[in-house]
Amino acid sequence: GAVVSQHPSWVICKSGTSVKIECRSLDFQATTMFWYRQFPKQSLMLMATSNEGSKATYEQGVEKDKFLINHASLTLSTLTVTSAHPEDSSFYICSASRSAGADTQYFGPGTRLTVL
Amino acid sequence: AQTVTQSQPEMSVQEAETVTLSCTYDTSENNYYLFWYKQPPSRQMILVIRQEAYKQQNATENRFSVNFQKAAKSFSLKISDSQLGDTAMYFCAFITNFGNEKLTFGTGTRLTIIP
Repeated sequence: GAVVSQHPSWVICKSGTSVKIECRSLDFQATTMFWYRQFPKQSLMLMATSNEGSKATYEQGVEKDKFLINHASLTLSTLTVTSAHPEDSSFYICSASRSAGADTQYFGPGTRLTVL
Repeated sequence: AQTVTQSQPEMSVQEAETVTLSCTYDTSENNYYLFWYKQPPSRQMILVIRQEAYKQQNATENRFSVNFQKAAKSFSLKISDSQLGDTAMYFCAFITNFGNEKLTFGTGTRLTIIP
């Protein structure tokens, strides 16, 4: 149990376009989902935390208007990178946990975004 | 501030040997959870083992075990009978029970199992 999927696994887009990444918990209900960004050979950097039905909480320095997060159901969260630029190219990973408190996070396989 | 330190950026060990990855952390909280995650070349983050701070008994999962020293704020991971599939980046992380309920990650240890 505790499987999290992400779609797409990789995406290439032109500068100025928007890209949507989906994160789904396949076999459990995720009260809380998290979005991370990972640069090559570095650890994960938390971008935002989202609870189902609530607005996402963004980490300091993360532009909420650029990285739109929607957690519409207990099994789905989406990250939309709006007006993408080459500097947004990165590996984006989502995770999900069953409860809103301190709980184990299960990670998706990640999405590689390349902005040309 | 909550921090996690992994002092070994890279390690390598022969197949079938035992290896220990170190991790220290700093928090003023008393209730928290500790994790080791593995990130193989596929980049999928996989939960290796979890330890509740209130439990004195060290967690084990098959070939993986931890040495949890709460007073020293140390949480090392021991991999026994290492296998080629254990080659990965290993991240130590913890989450506290109150307030800032976010995972704090270490910088990772790149482990290579040599055939």
